[in-house]
Amino acid sequence: RKEVEQDPGPFNVPEGATVAFNCTYSNSASQSFFWYRQDCRKEPKLLMSVYSSGNEDGRFTAQLNRASQYISLLIRDSKLSDSATYLCVVKPSGATNKLIFGTGTLLAVQP
Amino acid sequence: EAQVTQNPRYLITVTGKKLTVTCSQNMNHEYMSWYRQDPGLGLRQIYYSMNVEVTDKGDVPEGYKVSRKEKRNFPLILESPSPNQTSLYFCASSRMARDTEAFFGQGTRLTVV
Repeated sequence: RKEVEQDPGPFNVPEGATVAFNCTYSNSASQSFFWYRQDCRKEPKLLMSVYSSGNEDGRFTAQLNRASQYISLLIRDSKLSDSATYLCVVKPSGATNKLIFGTGTLLAVQP
Repeated sequence: EAQVTQNPRYLITVTGKKLTVTCSQNMNHEYMSWYRQDPGLGLRQIYYSMNVEVTDKGDVPEGYKVSRKEKRNFPLILESPSPNQTSLYFCASSRMARDTEAFFGQGTRLTVV
């Protein structure tokens, strides 16, 4: 089983739609969680951290469910510019030096 | 502008011909690492460095070497490249190892024939 699993998609949604991605992780002791965004053929960039209490940044909401070991990302009012691959990233407990990446979920927002 | 710079961006080489991919950051970050990204496998850590002269293996270190003689530079060396090292490579840095945000270079697409 992969340490971090994501549905690869693609998720094809119209502009203005709400879309949600989930990600599951296998290590129950993992301590930190993030969503990174990667545009086609470009480098990953931090989108947002994911906190136990959930957090929101504009149209983006991230949530963590430790009991079920999954994190989610909700995008409201999708824009064409949201089209990208969204990477779920986990930092294991005790490992100060490693980020474990999911394979990513591809989002394509259609006009 | 704060950035991580990799060179070259694209490289096609032949099996066995030694090559170096350079990585430089201008943010005075202590922690640097190399990843490779392959379809269906995500980004996997090759090597990392906690500070100058401190390096260690990541998850997929075989066939690679690194050095950290200066804080800003962290080159990736392939002594004898093989076709299975064809991949997209990213260098990343963060202020400290425990920092949550990693800044990535633009990537190097390597093809070994």
